[in-house]
Amino acid sequence: KQEVTQIPAALSVPEGENLVLNCSFTDSAIYNLQWFRQDPGKGLTSLLLIQSSQREQTSGRLNASLDKSSGRSTLYIAASQPGDSATYLCARRGYSTLTFGKGTMLLVSP
Amino acid sequence: GAVVSQHPSRVICKSGTSVKIECRSLDFQATTMFWYRQFPKQSLMLMATSNEGSKATYEQGVEKDKFLINHASLTLSTLTVTSAHPEDSSFYICSALETTNYGYTFGSGTRLTVV
Repeated sequence: KQEVTQIPAALSVPEGENLVLNCSFTDSAIYNLQWFRQDPGKGLTSLLLIQSSQREQTSGRLNASLDKSSGRSTLYIAASQPGDSATYLCARRGYSTLTFGKGTMLLVSP
Repeated sequence: GAVVSQHPSRVICKSGTSVKIECRSLDFQATTMFWYRQFPKQSLMLMATSNEGSKATYEQGVEKDKFLINHASLTLSTLTVTSAHPEDSSFYICSALETTNYGYTFGSGTRLTVV
């Protein structure tokens, strides 16, 4: 069974800190890996998409890396802000399915 | 970028009635759309894959007669929850696969409450 694990489940930091969210998956035969943000009661907003041939993607203060051999991806958030507070989900795309982790709930306090 | 519109965002219905949720790809054609269900503080659970012009593929344990999916055009998929019961109350999210970069775009979700 394909599984995606996210650590930590929850994270609370003061504003300005740099932080790392972790995602691991059991099947390294991936098509791509995608990081999403979900605000309470809302849908998912795509943050970064890493193709299987890539090692990282960057967008503003966000940087995501992918290491297929170890089955890991990390999302790095620089200089965190209260507006970054949300649940962050990683999703592994295999041949035909998208498998989600349970997410990391992030709270950035002013 | 790709946009998926989902309506309604929130609906309350009585037990025994049916509710239809729409999912539209606004600026791209989506031959494949997906329907997810999300319980509080849980991840998304794939319910079914909707293919334009053909029958949907349901995941194990999902009742296809209860959750009717129609994908009649390249930009619209609908999920109808038939004879709704309180245990069907949940957050339902659709997504579409964008063929340019093979990323998934999600709708804003529908909060269904059955009373």
